[in-house]
Amino acid sequence: EVQLLESGGGLVQPGGSLRLSCAASGFTFSSYAMNWVRQAPGKGLEWVSTIGGSDGATFYADPVKGRFTISRDNSKNTLFLQMDSLRAEDTAVYYCAKSELNDYWGQGALVTVSS
Amino acid sequence: DIQMTQSPSSLSASVGDRVTITCRASQGISKYLAWFQQKPGKAPKSLIYAASSLQSGVPSKFSGSGSGTDFTLTISSLQPEDFATYYCQQYYSYPLTFGGGTKVEIK
Repeated sequence: EVQLLESGGGLVQPGGSLRLSCAASGFTFSSYAMNWVRQAPGKGLEWVSTIGGSDGATFYADPVKGRFTISRDNSKNTLFLQMDSLRAEDTAVYYCAKSELNDYWGQGALVTVSS
Repeated sequence: DIQMTQSPSSLSASVGDRVTITCRASQGISKYLAWFQQKPGKAPKSLIYAASSLQSGVPSKFSGSGSGTDFTLTISSLQPEDFATYYCQQYYSYPLTFGGGTKVEIK
């Protein structure tokens, strides 16, 4: 059974940093691209970033480019999102999701950016 | 960037109704289109990929069609558990983009 479990969310002040983790199980983690997708309160889904499976190629949405860094540790089946220079508009539930198809999703981690 | 436009943004329907949601891409995306269902407070759930392929475990009342720029998601007979928000997403090119969502409500 595929499972994705996010952690690391919380309240942070504007300009601060936070690191999200996503622990994966039930599939060959290194074989798949992984995504971060976010959802602001009451809003729709917004793709944030993707990292390739074996080649580790990275892609970012324009609003987070230069502030967020996606990475992965295939030996620990874990995906990360380092978020720096956080802004109020980054407040959202952050989901990790498997593959370009987003065929499996975690339960989400709430990130609140507020003073 | 490829823009994904869903219509309608919301609809009211009764149990047993046949419901169709459309998704239009701003440029051709072949069949690189997925559909998701999201219930309040829950993570999205994958329903369909490659425009018309049903994800494992998804009931056959859900079906998808289309290619190029125009796509549809159909629910053949709406049941109480189907009241939710539905999103399309293209994975033809980066940035990956989602439609704005269609909220299906009880009439």
